[in-house]
Amino acid sequence: GQNIDQPTEMTATEGAIVQINCTYQTSGFNGLFWYQQHAGEAPTFLSYNVLDGLEEKGRFSSFLSRSKGYSYLLLKELQMKDSASYLCAVPSGNTGKLIFGQGTTLQVKP
Amino acid sequence: EAQVTQNPRYLITVTGKKLTVTCSQNMNHEYMSWYRQDPGLGLRQIYYSMNVEVTDKGDVPEGYKVSRKEKRNFPLILESPSPNQTSLYFCASSFSDLYNEQFFGPGTRLTVL
Repeated sequence: GQNIDQPTEMTATEGAIVQINCTYQTSGFNGLFWYQQHAGEAPTFLSYNVLDGLEEKGRFSSFLSRSKGYSYLLLKELQMKDSASYLCAVPSGNTGKLIFGQGTTLQVKP
Repeated sequence: EAQVTQNPRYLITVTGKKLTVTCSQNMNHEYMSWYRQDPGLGLRQIYYSMNVEVTDKGDVPEGYKVSRKEKRNFPLILESPSPNQTSLYFCASSFSDLYNEQFFGPGTRLTVL
C-alpha cells in the first residue's frame, strides 16, 4: 500500500532556511508533488519531481531520492507569508489516485 | 480567467437530505477529482475522473457518487448525507492526467447535522 510521512508542525524564523521532509512508500513510483495551502484556502502547486536531485524555483527548492523514498522542500529567505501547510503527495501506482500526506504546518515567526 | 468553481461554498444540511456539490472548470482539463479534508487526516481522494464518462473510486468513496457527462463538470452527490461527511471538500482538475499540476477549487464547507 501507500504511506506518506511528514512532520506535523514546524517553526522557523523570518529570513532563515527551513527544510520540510517527506518519506513515502508506494508501489510503482511516478513522481512526487508538493503543494502549499494557506489557512482557509485551496492548495496550490509548488513542484513535481520525477527524477533524483534538486530542482530550484526561486526561494523554493524540492529534492527527491527515489532509492531512499525521500523528498524535501527547502524554503530560503523565509517570509511571514510562507506560514502555511505544505502537502506532499504521490500518485498511487498506475491508477488515477493521488495520495496526500497529512501536511506540515509551518509557522514563520518574526 | 482560468479557474475551478464550486457551489455552494458553504452548506448546512440535515442527515438524509440528498445534496449535490457542483464543480466546473473552464480549462478543458481531462482529469478531475474530489477530495475531502479533515483535521489530522489531510486531503483524501473521494473519486476521480480521467475523462468524460470515466470515473473511479479514490480512497474514501463510501457515501458519495459522481458523474462526468461533460468535460467541464464533475458534480459530487451525497444521496443520504450523514454527520461523518461533515468536512471541507475540494474539487480539482489537471490538463491530461494526475501527473500534472492540479488546480483546486475554493472549497465547500459542508456540515451535516
